[in-house]
Amino acid sequence: SQQGEEDPQALSIQEGENATMNCSYKTSINNLQWYRQNSGRGLVHLILIRSNEREKHSGRLRVTLDTSKKSSSLLITASRAADTASYFCATPWASTALIFGKGTTLSVSS
Amino acid sequence: SQTIHQWPATLVQPVGSPLSLECTVEGTSNPNLYWYRQAAGRGLQLLFYSVGIGQISSEVPQNLSASRPQDRQFILSSKKLLLSDSGFYLCAWSERTSGIYEQYFGPGTRLTVT
Repeated sequence: SQQGEEDPQALSIQEGENATMNCSYKTSINNLQWYRQNSGRGLVHLILIRSNEREKHSGRLRVTLDTSKKSSSLLITASRAADTASYFCATPWASTALIFGKGTTLSVSS
Repeated sequence: SQTIHQWPATLVQPVGSPLSLECTVEGTSNPNLYWYRQAAGRGLQLLFYSVGIGQISSEVPQNLSASRPQDRQFILSSKKLLLSDSGFYLCAWSERTSGIYEQYFGPGTRLTVT
């Protein structure tokens, strides 16, 4: 099955720094989504980017999508300790479902 | 507003025992429903999804099964648990009509099979 693969698997930064995580996928998609998971909790939807969009912003989040390279990136600017979480990309599957990558674990230290 | 409930929050079960996890959604009608499993430190594995009552699609052949007896209720079951069934089980829903399926997750059930 097609699946997004996040890179890096883990990322440790200081508060105030930017965090960038990448996602690669295998087949053509009409949208790509990013989710966040705090430890031991359910996932929360962050942002959705459609295949005809190159870039999208939401607060401190910036997502890019390059359909020619089948890749997306999530940038979190001016990171805070509260941004510590795992971040997953998700791509469509079987017309009604999503397939999630293995995630990037972000640690932001103060 | 819509809410999604899962119970129990945590569960410890011996190998070979049965399992029943329940998920209910409030505040919406005709949702798509999903069950995922997350092993420790790993990504999400899609187990089942449903687009309507009695309509279940299975993604992974295993000793788990799912049922949707009511529009907003999704149940994950097993007749005999294996050690490998341990994990964090997440239920999610999405709107059926949007065409792009942003998902909303429940709080999860932590299952430990001993």
